[in-house]
Amino acid sequence: QSVLTQPPSASGTPGQRVTISCSGSSSNIGTNYVYWYQQLPGTAPKLLIYENNQRPSGVPDRFSGSKSGTSASLAISGLRSEDEADYYCAAWDASLSGVFGGGTKLTVL
Amino acid sequence: EVQLVESGGGLVNPGGSLRLSCAASGFTFSSYSMIWVRQAPGKGLEWVSSISSSSSHIYYADSVKGRFTISRDNAKNSLYLQMNSLRAEDTAVYYCARDVSGSSAEFDYWGQGTLVTVSS
Repeated sequence: QSVLTQPPSASGTPGQRVTISCSGSSSNIGTNYVYWYQQLPGTAPKLLIYENNQRPSGVPDRFSGSKSGTSASLAISGLRSEDEADYYCAAWDASLSGVFGGGTKLTVL
Repeated sequence: EVQLVESGGGLVNPGGSLRLSCAASGFTFSSYSMIWVRQAPGKGLEWVSSISSSSSHIYYADSVKGRFTISRDNAKNSLYLQMNSLRAEDTAVYYCARDVSGSSAEFDYWGQGTLVTVSS
């Protein structure tokens, strides 16, 4: 059971917009930044969004993040086949540990 | 170019020990906190432990507290994870990663991972 809650799966067709939710609590998302990671099959995770809504250099602006209260979401617009991957949200927790969501497997139909 | 290369994984019996290493290059290692994250086969990511740049702040997940020890050698640009009293549920790919700001979940560079299998 992960501390942050994500839907196990999401899907969309090419060109569509999809969103992935991440629910936490006042001890993590409610008081700290949210980060998103993309993990392509067989590879290490990659930082996708930092500090709730910032994109590292090289991440397309099709990816965006937002946060409200104890929840956050990742939006992917103009869905492409190469976006098919696992997506994880993460935050620092007041228990002095990092916490991840359980991950969402995105399928591009 | 920032590189993180893990080593030391392998097959170990339940109750046994293993020491993982992470060799860092391409950045000023002594200026960054570092972390270990693991991923059990077919499962999600689990934060394991973090260590500040000077080793003054060290944190562990409850699942490994008292069994695992994180350490670093800034002179050797290396991060370590000593794993004792290993259990089947510790079987996972272990990643080291650079923590951008410490006490956060912002990990901007990751290694390729090393597989630890705990089985008799």
